[in-house]
Formats: sequence, structure tokens, C-alpha cells
Amino acid sequence: QVQLVESGGGVVQPGGSLRLSCAASSFTFSSYGMHWVRQAPGKGLEWVGLIRHDGSNKYYADSVRGRFTISRDNSKNTLYLQMNSLRAEDTAVYYCARRSPTGSDYWGQGTLVTVSS
Amino acid sequence: DIQMTQSPSSLSASVGDRVTITCRASQGISNYLAWFQQKPGKAPKSLIYAASSLQSGVPSKFSGSGSGTDFTLTISSLQPEDFATYYCQQYNTYPITFGQGTRLEIK
Repeated sequence: QVQLVESGGGVVQPGGSLRLSCAASSFTFSSYGMHWVRQAPGKGLEWVGLIRHDGSNKYYADSVRGRFTISRDNSKNTLYLQMNSLRAEDTAVYYCARRSPTGSDYWGQGTLVTVSS
Repeated sequence: DIQMTQSPSSLSASVGDRVTITCRASQGISNYLAWFQQKPGKAPKSLIYAASSLQSGVPSKFSGSGSGTDFTLTISSLQPEDFATYYCQQYNTYPITFGQGTRLEIK
């Protein structure tokens, strides 16, 4: 069964950094693009960015471009989200999701990031 | 950016009802439209992709239609487990964007 498990969330001060991980299993990770999507408390879904299957191209939301970086290690079946210069408005649950020909078909359970002093 | 507007924002219905949620894109997106269901404290679940294709394992009570700018999600014969928040998503153009969500509540 396809599984995506996020980790690395926590409490960080404004201006700080955090790196999230998404461990993938039970599918050929190197064949799929991967998304990051976030959800602020009580709010809707916001797409953060995408990395292609081989890392050749990355796309970001305007709200995070220049501060967040998506990367992947296909040898470790792991997706990353490096978040720098964090702001209060970055507080959210962060999900990774698989990009497939049938859309964003599998999602992780999410990891909570809280930006607060 | 392409704006996705869902209506209604909330909806009350009874078990057994049939409901329709609408999603409108600010510009044409062909059929690059997905629908997701989310329950409190849980990750979104993919229901429909390519506007009308059912994700594997999703019951046929869920159906989608539309192309271009106007799309609908229809849920027939509502059951207690269907009461949740539903989101549309366009994936025709980056940045990918979601509708604001439709909260489906029990009447």
C-alpha cells in the first residue's frame, strides 16, 4: 500500500528555519513528481510547490518562492521541504502528495509547523 | 494565477439527499480539475481527477462533470460518512490552486 509519512514539524521562531521530510514507500518513488500542500489552522488547502520525478524542475507558490526549497533524494525515497525566513503566516499542517496521471492520488497524514515567538 | 470559486461555501443536507457543488475557474482549464474530500483532522482524499474520472476505490455515488471553466461534483444518496469539506483543484497551470472549500453538514 502506498505510504507517505511526513516528519520534522515543530515550533520555530519567526525568521527561523525548519526542514520537513516525507518518506515514501511501496511505490517507485523516482517515477513520480511530488507536491507539498499546506493548510493553516481552520483554513483551506494551499499548494506550496512541486518537484518533478527526477528533480529537474521545481515550481513554487508566490507566497513561498525564495524562502522555501523543495528537494528529493531518490536513493532514500524521501522528499524534503527546506523552509527559511519563516513567518507567522507559514503556520500550518504540511502535507506531501504524490503526483500521478490520476492527479494527487496519495497524501501523507501531515506535520504541523508552528511559527511563534 | 487561476482563481477557483466554489459554491456554496456551506451546505446542509439530509441522509439520502443528492447534492451538487459547483466550482468555477477564472479562466479555461480544459479538464484539469480534481475534487477532494477532507474530514476534520485528516488528510484530503482524492475523489475525482480529470473532471469526471473516479479515483480507484471511490464509490460511484460521487460523480464529476464539466470542462473549460465550469465544473460540478454530485454526491448521490448521502450517507453519514459523506459529511465533510470538499475542495476543487485546478492543475492545468502553475501555481496549482484550490477552491475555498464547501462544508457539507447534516441537516
